[in-house]
Amino acid sequence: AQSVTQPDIHITVSEGASLELRCNYSYGATPYLFWYVQSPGQGLQLLLKYFSGDTLVQGIKGFEAEFKRSQSSFNLRKPSVHWSDAAEYFCAVVGASGGSYIPTFGRGTSLIVHP
Amino acid sequence: GAGVSQSPSNKVTEKGKDVELRCDPISGHTALYWYRQSLGQGLEFLIYFQGNSAPDKSGLPSDRFSAERTGGSVSTLTIQRTQQEDSAVYLCASSLARNRGSYSPLHFGNGTRLTVT
Repeated sequence: AQSVTQPDIHITVSEGASLELRCNYSYGATPYLFWYVQSPGQGLQLLLKYFSGDTLVQGIKGFEAEFKRSQSSFNLRKPSVHWSDAAEYFCAVVGASGGSYIPTFGRGTSLIVHP
Repeated sequence: GAGVSQSPSNKVTEKGKDVELRCDPISGHTALYWYRQSLGQGLEFLIYFQGNSAPDKSGLPSDRFSAERTGGSVSTLTIQRTQQEDSAVYLCASSLARNRGSYSPLHFGNGTRLTVT
């Protein structure tokens, strides 16, 4: 079975500071990996995805993530955080189960941005 | 174009009543998922539809929960005899994945916030 761990429930950063949100997954083969962002009262929006190839992937809004197989990690980074980045961030892993591709999501990390 | 649409956006119901939540996926998306998001929790998978295949119901928490998808488009999630622990945000998502052997990222609706009093 696949699983995702986001060890940080809350992260607080100052505007302009760099950001790294941690994600560790468990899956027997090479997974598909995703980061989503959820603003209050909204659904989830895809930030970036990893399917194969280059392990450093670029996403929208200046975010990037790096797949590290040896560490089973897919951490999300941004060099300079903006106040509008305050939101809930979810990491997700997808693996095939009986032919069904069903994403498993982490519990989320709430990002708080101080001015 | 139009995204995934869910209705109602908010629903307050009394314990023991039945509720129906609706999801209109993006046109042309054949895969449809329902998830439940409880306070402080991640997303809990409920059910997955792919085209005309039998749905994957492995995430439904009890037999009070059921879902159908008519004409390969609109989906309805029904909760019978609601309990207070059913209070949560119910999220619907759709994707372009053409069959069970392929995957495409999910597009989410804004959810239905269900409160059972």
